[in-house]
Amino acid sequence: SQELEQSPQSLIVQEGKNLTINCTSSKTLYGLYWYKQKYGEGLIFLMMLQKGGEEKSHEKITAKLDEKKQQSSLHITASQPSHAGIYLCGADIIPRSNYQLIWGAGTKLIIKP
Amino acid sequence: GAGVSQSPSNKVTEKGKDVELRCDPISGHTALYWYRQSLGQGLEFLIYFQGNSAPDKSGLPSDRFSAERTGGSVSTLTIQRTQQEDSAVYLCASSPQGASGNSPLHFGNGTRLTVT
Repeated sequence: SQELEQSPQSLIVQEGKNLTINCTSSKTLYGLYWYKQKYGEGLIFLMMLQKGGEEKSHEKITAKLDEKKQQSSLHITASQPSHAGIYLCGADIIPRSNYQLIWGAGTKLIIKP
Repeated sequence: GAGVSQSPSNKVTEKGKDVELRCDPISGHTALYWYRQSLGQGLEFLIYFQGNSAPDKSGLPSDRFSAERTGGSVSTLTIQRTQQEDSAVYLCASSPQGASGNSPLHFGNGTRLTVT
């Protein structure tokens, strides 16, 4: 099984609606990274979370790391076609060692006009 | 400034041929990573460089895979005697720090390798 579980695997959302993607680990997360990928492109860094309870926002995207540091959620408000793509979470499960990141399998987001 | 640059963007090769994939990291980034992404899968770690040395080669799938980095900058990933199961997108990433810190990885657009 995946060390880092992402849910859902795919999501179809009506434009303008809100959505949430989850990333869950069985181990303590020392750093959690959210990336977005479009077909044929690399991963675009969105946000990094390190402290339990931390929350960061960028435009209409908000990411949180829960207090126990084992789950993160990515929330998109009033979704737009530009939000479509694959969202990946990556995590440090070893302190101060970001080269040993583990990765979720990704959530494919489709926005219906 | 320029991001991570990978070439070629697409490569189609016949089974049994050797291929070389190139990565030019962001200037000043000491850490460089190679990942493989297969359809519907997450990222598979291949190798990590800190400067010119590779402290961790544990992710290389077989001895047909090798990588080097020269001058603390450009890296090449070589796959010898390619097999169809090598078909995937090969992603390179760099970061200003390596194992000593937490900083996000900056990814290139990848090389899509197809072995026929």
